[in-house]
Amino acid sequence: TQLLEQSPQFLSIQEGENLTVYCNSSSVFSSLQWYRQEPGEGPVLLVTVVTGGEVKKLKRLTFQFGDARKDSSLHITAAQPGDTGLYLCAGVRQAGTALIFGKGTTLSVSS
Amino acid sequence: GAVVSQHPSRVICKSGTSVKIECRSLDFQATTMFWYRQFPKQSLMLMATSNEGSKATYEQGVEKDKFLINHASLTLSTLTVTSAHPEDSSFYICSARGVTSTDTQYFGPGTRLTVL
Repeated sequence: TQLLEQSPQFLSIQEGENLTVYCNSSSVFSSLQWYRQEPGEGPVLLVTVVTGGEVKKLKRLTFQFGDARKDSSLHITAAQPGDTGLYLCAGVRQAGTALIFGKGTTLSVSS
Repeated sequence: GAVVSQHPSRVICKSGTSVKIECRSLDFQATTMFWYRQFPKQSLMLMATSNEGSKATYEQGVEKDKFLINHASLTLSTLTVTSAHPEDSSFYICSARGVTSTDTQYFGPGTRLTVL
């Protein structure tokens, strides 16, 4: 059983489109992080959300943490080819414990 | 800040040999380091958690005698794949968590291991 369900697993869109990636769980997380990974490289941290209902923006990326701290979403506005990559959500159940990863979303943006 | 390095970035070895991968936190002290394995187009699978000065905690299904982890200092952890076989070929990634951060982990660039 996957503790963090991430969807969709694959997404192929045209430049300029909007998209949303979801990360859901039946468990509460003390914090949740979103990473982006390029092929052959390690994941790069995009954002950490810790407060229920929190919304963070990073240029065209908007991250939201659910009120109950069980789910999160990543919304990209006007996607660009440079957004192509693997997006990973990861959560911590209890502060100080290991990250639990979702299965990832492979995004491909074509021009 | 918060840079984690891994060495080597790529390694090719013969079946039966051992390979050591280093993970260093360059500008912060890491009380805890994590080792992950990643297959193509898949997410990261946690292999073990390593705390400085103590034995690593391995996830279920990970052979501790095959994947030896040492965390001798606050800036260095090593993963040794002993008697490597082709099925051990994978992308190995480490991450480090600083003494002042309870949740945020910073990842290394990964090591591509190919066992012939």
